[in-house]
Order: sequence, then structure tokens, then C-alpha cells
Amino acid sequence: GAVVSQHPSWVICKSGTSVKIECRSLDFQATTMFWYRQFPKQSLMLMATSNEGSKATYEQGVEKDKFLINHASLTLSTLTVTSAHPEDSSFYICSVAQGRWGPQPQHFGDGTRLSIL
Amino acid sequence: AQTVTQSQPEMSVQEAETVTLSCTYDTSESDYYLFWYKQPPSRQMILVIRQEAYKQQNATENRFSVNFQKAAKSFSLKISDSQLGDAAMYFCAYRSGSARQLTFGSGTQLTVLP
Repeated sequence: GAVVSQHPSWVICKSGTSVKIECRSLDFQATTMFWYRQFPKQSLMLMATSNEGSKATYEQGVEKDKFLINHASLTLSTLTVTSAHPEDSSFYICSVAQGRWGPQPQHFGDGTRLSIL
Repeated sequence: AQTVTQSQPEMSVQEAETVTLSCTYDTSESDYYLFWYKQPPSRQMILVIRQEAYKQQNATENRFSVNFQKAAKSFSLKISDSQLGDAAMYFCAYRSGSARQLTFGSGTQLTVLP
């Protein structure tokens, strides 16, 4: 079964609105979650690392005021795209790191397709 | 910084045949992990296979196997007896032993021909 639940799977909204995407770890507690952005036929681009109980770590070039991340519990991280505009339209994927060390893979959510009109 | 290179943007294979996808990486670390992920049209990321750098033996998972050449920093994926369901984008990924972030390659789009 699914290890990570991501909602919504698809959202369409008007320019200027804010959109919240949820990422839940179903099978284990996750102190760290990751948020990626993917454009069509391209690779995953890490946006930020979400840390439970502390501020997220953003990758260079990612606007932290535009993409708000909250990791309030060990099983839930949220990404809010604030005042979304058409250029924010993309596919957003979260992942959960299983275990602190070792070869455990990241488990990915099914992604959210965001379309801003 | 680590980089992962997939030099084949597209590959095709006949059903039931074997195909090899290439991946090279650049790192100065000795402790790391390598992964192959599959992304079908549904866009769900599915782990195919993983390899620990300290293990000399190549990982295998049913029809999927890797050729891990540590000195050459090469990590290719071999798919045997290709099936139509194998058609997807395949990403090679690197993870440092001291971090949790994945660094992805640019991907290889695999087409399986009936």
C-alpha cells in the first residue's frame, strides 16, 4: 500500500489565490520530508527540505515567501503556493526519507498537478 | 557538489529483449547510495533498484539488475525480458551517506515496442 499520501492530486485555480498541498507519511514518523517541482519531460528539482519542528531549508533560487512549508507534526508537511500565478503551474511531488541513515529509499507521493489560470 | 548524468534522453527496446540505461555520477565521497526510479505516465515515482557503494556485488531485482563500476563512477540499469509495462521515464539518483537529499539525473524515456 501507499507509504506517502499527497493531496490534492490536481488543482485548478485563479491567478492570485493560494493553494495548499498536503503530504502525509502513513507508515512511519518522518522528521524530514522533501518537496520537488517537475516540469514536463524534465527531472525532479528539489525545492526545499521540510524539517519537523523547525524552518524548512530552501534550495537556491526558490522563493521561501512564495512557497511556504510547514512541518508541524511527524507525519504531515504542507506546501502553500502563495498568490499563485500561471508561471507557478507545475507538477509538485513530496517525498519522505525513511530512516536517518542507510540505504533506505525516499518514498514519494503521487504528486499534485497545479494549474493556475 | 555531486552530479548525475544520464546521456540517453530516449531509448527504445523490443518487447522481450534486453536494454541497458546508462548513468554516471561525480562525487568525492566514499559512502553513498545509488538508486534507479521509474516514473510511468501516471507520474508516480517507483523505486526500481538500489545499490550501496560499499557493496561490490551488483544489485538485482527480478528482471532488473545494475552494473555498478565504482572506479568508473558508472551505474547502469539492465532490464531483461522487457515488458510493455516497463515503458516509463527512468531516473538515476545519488544520495550521500551523510545526507538525505537525492540528486537526480535528467532521465531516460524508455519506449517498449510490441
